[in-house]
Amino acid sequence: ETGVTQSPTHLIKTRGQQVTLRCSSQSGHNTVSWYQQALGQGPQFIFQYYREEENGRGNFPPRFSGLQFPNYSSELNVNALELDDSALYLCASKGQGGTEAFFGQGTRLTVV
Amino acid sequence: AQSVTQLDSQVPVFEEAPVELRCNYSSSVSVYLFWYVQYPNQGLQLLLKYLSGSTLVKGINGFEAEFNKSQTSFHLRKPSVHISDTAEYFCAVSDLKGGSNYKLTFGKGTLLTVNP
Repeated sequence: ETGVTQSPTHLIKTRGQQVTLRCSSQSGHNTVSWYQQALGQGPQFIFQYYREEENGRGNFPPRFSGLQFPNYSSELNVNALELDDSALYLCASKGQGGTEAFFGQGTRLTVV
Repeated sequence: AQSVTQLDSQVPVFEEAPVELRCNYSSSVSVYLFWYVQYPNQGLQLLLKYLSGSTLVKGINGFEAEFNKSQTSFHLRKPSVHISDTAEYFCAVSDLKGGSNYKLTFGKGTLLTVNP
């Protein structure tokens, strides 16, 4: 039990649609990161938010965007879904000065 | 930029046998090193981490890892595995940004299968 919860657990969308994934972090964890894990691969860093501002991004296009809220929840939004966006999306949170990222159980997104 | 190579995509072993999962990393700066475990249809759970100090790090479930700076390796070991250790294992390194660890760069994972 990491204290990080994600919703929904599974989701099916059609190519071209938009999707919002949600994450609730532990209280006091002001850093949240999102990762994409394609089948058979390791997680890939999408971006990180610190105190409600994006402070780092991986090699993902602008149609991947996010929000972080003062209540330690966050969102990952993906526009114009493509088939290759099918993956497990993981949220991870970290406290101030912490060295360990706590992961949620992930959201499995399937784009058809 | 950092990179992580997990040298074995699959490692089958028998129950109670020892196991070593290999990890090499590349980085031009100091990094933190981690091993995570992922059970089917679940997120990632931290097994252990190396930040500094002693190069032998002990983690949960009887796992340990040794940091070797000269060989840029961080291999994971367990002296006697159980059926319940069957899972995917990921080695990861973190950038250091502003003094706190930043993004994690993962390897592609090693599937450990423990057979009876």
